[in-house]
Amino acid sequence: TQLLEQSPQFLSIQEGENLTVYCNSSSVFSSLQWYRQEPGEGPVLLVTVVTGGEVKKLKRLTFQFGDARKDSSLHITAAQTGDTGLYLCAGVESRSTDKLIFGTGTRLQVFP
Amino acid sequence: DAGVTQSPTHLIKTRGQQVTLRCSPISGHKSVSWYQQVLGQGPQFIFQYYEKEERGRGNFPDRFSARQFPNYSSELNVNALLLGDSALYLCASSLPSRAGAGELFFGEGSRLTVL
Repeated sequence: TQLLEQSPQFLSIQEGENLTVYCNSSSVFSSLQWYRQEPGEGPVLLVTVVTGGEVKKLKRLTFQFGDARKDSSLHITAAQTGDTGLYLCAGVESRSTDKLIFGTGTRLQVFP
Repeated sequence: DAGVTQSPTHLIKTRGQQVTLRCSPISGHKSVSWYQQVLGQGPQFIFQYYEKEERGRGNFPDRFSARQFPNYSSELNVNALLLGDSALYLCASSLPSRAGAGELFFGEGSRLTVL
């Protein structure tokens, strides 16, 4: 069974601070996705990384896929209260299904 | 445009009962997937249906079943409910042109509580 471990599990910071969330696995994935989920809603896709070593930027969010395609990180610069939510990484197991292996999640709280 | 819609949004059942959850995908999406999200955890894959055929099945007991209709909507059925089935059940749809996981669009989920 493939597992994705995220760290930290909880993160509470003030506006303006930087943070990094890590997503690690012993398995190789064809690609990896990051989602954000807010209370009472379903996850919303932020980014998909496909190539080992790939770096993608989405405004203040920077996503990196490890060279071996087993791990990923999400870095947020100058966090804002609107960044509050549950961040989930998800490994794409196979190109033939929509089966995602979700990580354990990182709950981020940004205080003003 | 309407997103993925799920019903009911909340429901309470007792142990041993059966439940049916419904999902309407985004118009034009032919693939529907179901995920279970227990409180405090990431979602777990239950089923995927594409063009009315099962494309994938997660590690769930036979009490869980699903189907997809000609209009691409889907139902998830859970029989003989257990307390541990209490969770948020998420439905996701995806574009028809892809063979596998790309962008999944999730609904807001059905919150099931089993007493």
